[in-house]
Amino acid sequence: QVQLQESGPGLVKPSETLSLTCTVSGGSISSTSYYWSWIRQSPGKGLEWIGSMYYTGRTYSNPSLKSRVTISLDTSKNQFSLKLSSLTAADTAVYYCARGFTIFGVVTMVGWFDPWGQGTLVTVSS
Amino acid sequence: QSVLTQPPSTSGTPGQRVSISCSGSSSNIGSNGVNWYQQVPGMAPKLLIYSNNQRPSGVPDRFSGSKSGTSGSLAISGLQSDDEAEYYCAAWDDSLNGHVVFGGGTKLTVL
Repeated sequence: QVQLQESGPGLVKPSETLSLTCTVSGGSISSTSYYWSWIRQSPGKGLEWIGSMYYTGRTYSNPSLKSRVTISLDTSKNQFSLKLSSLTAADTAVYYCARGFTIFGVVTMVGWFDPWGQGTLVTVSS
Repeated sequence: QSVLTQPPSTSGTPGQRVSISCSGSSSNIGSNGVNWYQQVPGMAPKLLIYSNNQRPSGVPDRFSGSKSGTSGSLAISGLQSDDEAEYYCAAWDDSLNGHVVFGGGTKLTVL
């Protein structure tokens, strides 16, 4: 069964760029059925979708974060990554990677997320 | 302010049936399916219902979903103590070149 695991720094300074990696095991990120996705959750708050990338490079991002978000895939390592720039304290959150499903083969939408990684807490502080 | 609107909290007693609503608009729930996630404190969210009313394997049939117009609903029957969790709805939104939107979450307390 597919498993995802996030890795990256737990503490990042304001104005810097966060880099996180998600390692996928038990399945290929080159699959035609999935969008590889990032979702975050600020302390005590709800879920916020960050963005998703298809194996062809098609990417969708949260309009409120779009200018700061870069998602990339490394098929040789079966990993995908998130870069979030110009960090502020508001970016402090648990960051989850997840496998997103295309909606019944339609690749111009991102459907449900399953499974999710365990999450990694990122604190933005000087 | 979340794009999808959920009640902040609900409660029920063991064995009872509870429902959680998720209100959206024509560009999200009105056009696309609703998905539901369960998050137990300290854990990652887990997919509960996808495409309005489909259950992934392993999810008990006590959980069911439905959609009508621009609103979705999650029902839990035969409430159990370990159903106590936060529940989130989500959907694809066709506006702004397309993006995923979540509800603000509903805290279910089993009394």
